[in-house]
Amino acid sequence: QQQVKQSPQSLIVQKGGISIINCAYENTAFDYFPWYQQFPGKGPALLIAIRPDVSEKKEGRFTISFNKSAKQFSLHIMDSQPGDSATYFCAANGGSGNTGKLIFGQGTTLQVKP
Amino acid sequence: KAGVTQTPRYLIKTRGQQVTLSCSPISGHRSVSWYQQTPGQGLQFLFEYFSETQRNKGNFPGRFSGRQFSNSRSEMNVSTLELGDSALYLCASSTLPGLAGTDTQYFGPGTRLTVL
Repeated sequence: QQQVKQSPQSLIVQKGGISIINCAYENTAFDYFPWYQQFPGKGPALLIAIRPDVSEKKEGRFTISFNKSAKQFSLHIMDSQPGDSATYFCAANGGSGNTGKLIFGQGTTLQVKP
Repeated sequence: KAGVTQTPRYLIKTRGQQVTLSCSPISGHRSVSWYQQTPGQGLQFLFEYFSETQRNKGNFPGRFSGRQFSNSRSEMNVSTLELGDSALYLCASSTLPGLAGTDTQYFGPGTRLTVL
């Protein structure tokens, strides 16, 4: 019940295309869903986050779609650029105690070809 | 505002030794969480400290421990190192976990630990 499942494991997209990464969770007590971007040799950096009371959140080229009934959420990267090539992690927080414990998906390695 | 800092950045140890890693959170942040990142297991939660108290612990053996000081700086310790402890250890800080608007976790660059 504490797992977050992420797919695909890797993704290759042409420059200007749309990158889509999906995540699913089991624990309905989760109430905070961030996405992190990680470049080699760096720590994860927060990209965008959503809470279950909204179905979509957009920040620039990045959009989170959230489906509470299906317990799924996804990251869409519009107009993908070579600089977006990185590993992306979805995560979930909340549940019992609402502490600073993030449950991460396994990660998606995105390559954007020029 | 300075970000989360971790020291050292790289560390090489041998089996059986112990190691201490340090994390300085963003100024004003009171919560520090630690994560282990490996290619096989991904990012796994180790523990979280808030106001010098451990509030949550992940599923790791007792060889992994931590503490937080009154200035919110945190250390984690791994005793009797095993080859499988080789990983990137990440520290993240937040203002007030669990409270909307202040629970964003900001990660440091990590400490790369290699156990030989």
